[in-house]
Amino acid sequence: QSVLTQPPSVSGAPGQRVTISCTGSSSNIGAGYDVHWYQHLPGRVPKLLIYANIKRPSGVPDRFSGSRSGTSASLAITGLQAEDEADYYCQSSEVFGGGTKLTVL
Amino acid sequence: QAQLVQSGAEVKKPGSSVKVSCKSSGGTFSNYAINWVRQAPGQGLEWMGGIIPMFGTTNYAQKFQGRVTITADESTSTAYMELTSLRSEDTAVYYCARTGRQLVLVGYFDYWGQGTLVTVSS
Repeated sequence: QSVLTQPPSVSGAPGQRVTISCTGSSSNIGAGYDVHWYQHLPGRVPKLLIYANIKRPSGVPDRFSGSRSGTSASLAITGLQAEDEADYYCQSSEVFGGGTKLTVL
Repeated sequence: QAQLVQSGAEVKKPGSSVKVSCKSSGGTFSNYAINWVRQAPGQGLEWMGGIIPMFGTTNYAQKFQGRVTITADESTSTAYMELTSLRSEDTAVYYCARTGRQLVLVGYFDYWGQGTLVTVSS
């Protein structure tokens, strides 16, 4: 069981907005450790999506955004597209969340 | 633009060891930590440990303490992960990943190797 808790799955229709939560504790996110997010497509290499809570690497569309508050963080995806269907992981320090499978309906 | 290239798939017997390599190119190898992350079938990502090549500083997940050794060869810009006493539960894809900030052991991972499948089976 991961110390960073994510919902196992979320879904949304094309064009919609979805959010994925990442709940930690006072020993990780709440202690001030940054949160990072990865997109992992089946058979592919994990891709850095958001780092340091809110920053996007070059090339990542601004449809993806991150936030952090207290002991939790969130990833928001707007204008959902079919190619967004993937597993999403949060990370804080050396710990990963359990992952969330995003299904585009 | 850094690139990490890992060694090929391995099939191992229970109780044996495996050593996976990760060769870096296109960046400054010594200044950036290399970490190892694995994904077992149907499971999520799991951090195993990392090394800062410049200092040889390592840190390992408690779960793997005593079974994993991570090393780095600055002369060939290659990092290695050796896992001993293999069991079936160690069957997984093993990734090396570079920490995006210089001289920081664990942070965000901006570059990843292509992954190495290690299968443990009798």
